[in-house]
Amino acid sequence: GQNIDQPTEMTATEGAIVQINCTYQTSGFNGLFWYQQHAGEAPTFLSYNVLDGLEEKGRFSSFLSRSKGYSYLLLKELQMKDSASYLCAVRDRDYKLSFGAGTTVTVRA
Amino acid sequence: DVKVTQSSRYLVKRTGEKVFLECVQDMDHENMFWYRQDPGLGLRLIYFSYDVKMKEKGDIPEGYSVSREKKERFSLILESASTNQTSMYLCASSLGHISGANVLTFGAGSRLTVL
Repeated sequence: GQNIDQPTEMTATEGAIVQINCTYQTSGFNGLFWYQQHAGEAPTFLSYNVLDGLEEKGRFSSFLSRSKGYSYLLLKELQMKDSASYLCAVRDRDYKLSFGAGTTVTVRA
Repeated sequence: DVKVTQSSRYLVKRTGEKVFLECVQDMDHENMFWYRQDPGLGLRLIYFSYDVKMKEKGDIPEGYSVSREKKERFSLILESASTNQTSMYLCASSLGHISGANVLTFGAGSRLTVL
């Protein structure tokens, strides 16, 4: 099984940077995903990490350390539309994907 | 625009009723999944399927069954609905090869209330 932990809520100001941490324990590791979910909508894919290091995609970056069982999602130049829930998901050795409970980010003007 | 379509956005059922949740994808994806999403618990995998007529149990299969008679359609069945099955149900699909950046595409969800 897998144990995935991420903070429940975070609040930040428009234009600021927010870092959402995710720690995991898994039976084997085959990749880590971040999804974004706006209230009342379906989750959508943001990023994928399978090797250690930083993956940058525009204002969003995701980092992975496999030895520490740790990832973070970095949101830069926050915009109001970034207010959403951010889901960390880990794929195990059987290629089964499990999700954390999600982090609700509120962006204030 | 590629889509995963869930037939019902909101359902209200009574305890003991049989409930069908339908999911159709138009992307020719091999893999299909059913999750339920509850506050504080995140998405939990109920069942998944990697091919037609194939199904595998996820983390919380009890009280549920599934059917995959056609590649594009994956149905979730609650044989006898109970109040603890009140939840948001999300269907997802992905391409056949399950390694690599195999991204899930989700449907909009079906919110089921069991009275």
